[in-house]
Amino acid sequence: AQRVTQPEKLLSVFKGAPVELKCNYSYSGSPELFWYVQYSRQRLQLLLRHISRESIKGFTADLNKGETSFHLKKPFAQEEDSAMYYCALGSRNAGNMLTFGGGTRLMVKP
Amino acid sequence: GAGVSQTPSNKVTEKGKYVELRCDPISGHTALYWYRQSLGQGPEFLIYFQGTGAADDSGLPNDRFFAVRPEGSVSTLKIQRTERGDSAVYLCASSPEGAWGNEQFFGPGTRLTVL
Repeated sequence: AQRVTQPEKLLSVFKGAPVELKCNYSYSGSPELFWYVQYSRQRLQLLLRHISRESIKGFTADLNKGETSFHLKKPFAQEEDSAMYYCALGSRNAGNMLTFGGGTRLMVKP
Repeated sequence: GAGVSQTPSNKVTEKGKYVELRCDPISGHTALYWYRQSLGQGPEFLIYFQGTGAADDSGLPNDRFFAVRPEGSVSTLKIQRTERGDSAVYLCASSPEGAWGNEQFFGPGTRLTVL
């Protein structure tokens, strides 16, 4: 069975500090991993996906198959980064249905 | 262009009643997904449509839940004999096709409260 774990429910940092939101997964095949973000009063939206190897809004995430992790990082947090962040695992066998972690609320203080 | 829309945005019902939740996907998207998000948790998969057919309904919790997509566009999630435990936000998402790695575009959700 596939599973996604985000160990931190809440992460609070000061503006300008580095941020790392942790995500670990279990999956028997080759994983497809995503980070989705939900800003206050907005809908869930894609932040980035591992196959694109891109940096969005200064965030990056590297897939580490040895540690089964896909942590989200940003060197200098901004107040507008405050949001709920969800790590998600796509399934090849089910039309890419997503298995989500429980989410981490990031609060960036001024 | 217009994103995924869901109606109603809020639904309050009494235990035992029947409810229908509607999802309008992005035009041209063949894949449609329903998820349920309980308070303090991440979304959980319910059902996936490719076109008109339910390609995977393994996430539906029991036979009180049913979903249709008769013309391959709009979908309706139907819940019979609602229970208090059904209270959650029901999310719909669509994708150009259900291919591995494709982005899913989410609607704003319907908040269902069963009293």
